[in-house]
Amino acid sequence: GDSVTQMEGPVTLSEEACLTINCTYTATGYPSLFWYVQYPGEGLQLLLKATKADDKGSNKGFEATYRKETTSFHLEKGSVQVSDSAVYFCALRLFSGGYNKLIFGAGTRLAVHP
Amino acid sequence: NAGVTQTPKFQVLKTGQSMTLQCAQDMNHNSMYWYRQDPGMGLRLIYYSASEGTTDKGEVPNGYNVSRLNKREFSLRLESAAPSQTSVYFCASRLRGRESTDTQYFGPGTRLTVL
Repeated sequence: GDSVTQMEGPVTLSEEACLTINCTYTATGYPSLFWYVQYPGEGLQLLLKATKADDKGSNKGFEATYRKETTSFHLEKGSVQVSDSAVYFCALRLFSGGYNKLIFGAGTRLAVHP
Repeated sequence: NAGVTQTPKFQVLKTGQSMTLQCAQDMNHNSMYWYRQDPGMGLRLIYYSASEGTTDKGEVPNGYNVSRLNKREFSLRLESAAPSQTSVYFCASRLRGRESTDTQYFGPGTRLTVL
């Protein structure tokens, strides 16, 4: 079935380190792909998205490229800050079972230390 | 413009008690959703409402009921709470449109514990 797999956390980095959080998906059809971020005590916020193959989503220094050949959408940032500490969710959206379905990965917790 | 709001933020229930989680959005969105978030499992869809007056089951609807009171409000009811319903509950609303702009917006969540 349709699913999203992302790397287990927690990921612990020092400030200004490079970040990669891996995400791969399984889906029938051509899903749109998303990264959501959840800061402590808050709801999910859309971080970036890509709607077709080879699209690159970017926001707040984060980037992810929709790779159809490897069914991946890895999240990257060149230099993380303490304020980036949060849980990151990869998700796909497709029309299935009569509605527009958003399927989430389990989430990856990122902790950035000064 | 408050976005998506949820009440309460926290709730503790005893097994068998009932309660209603409230959700409201002020963005004039047609579609609204209820999810639950459990450790290691991401978010799973409980119920959704594609438009005012319609509701449909999602992935994990058992033990829940919903009401789309009007375009703004979408409530989730637990008639007889069970410990398996201990979770964090998120409401979301969706801006429908072209693929590039179609996005779900989430509320801050309700943390529910059933003893």
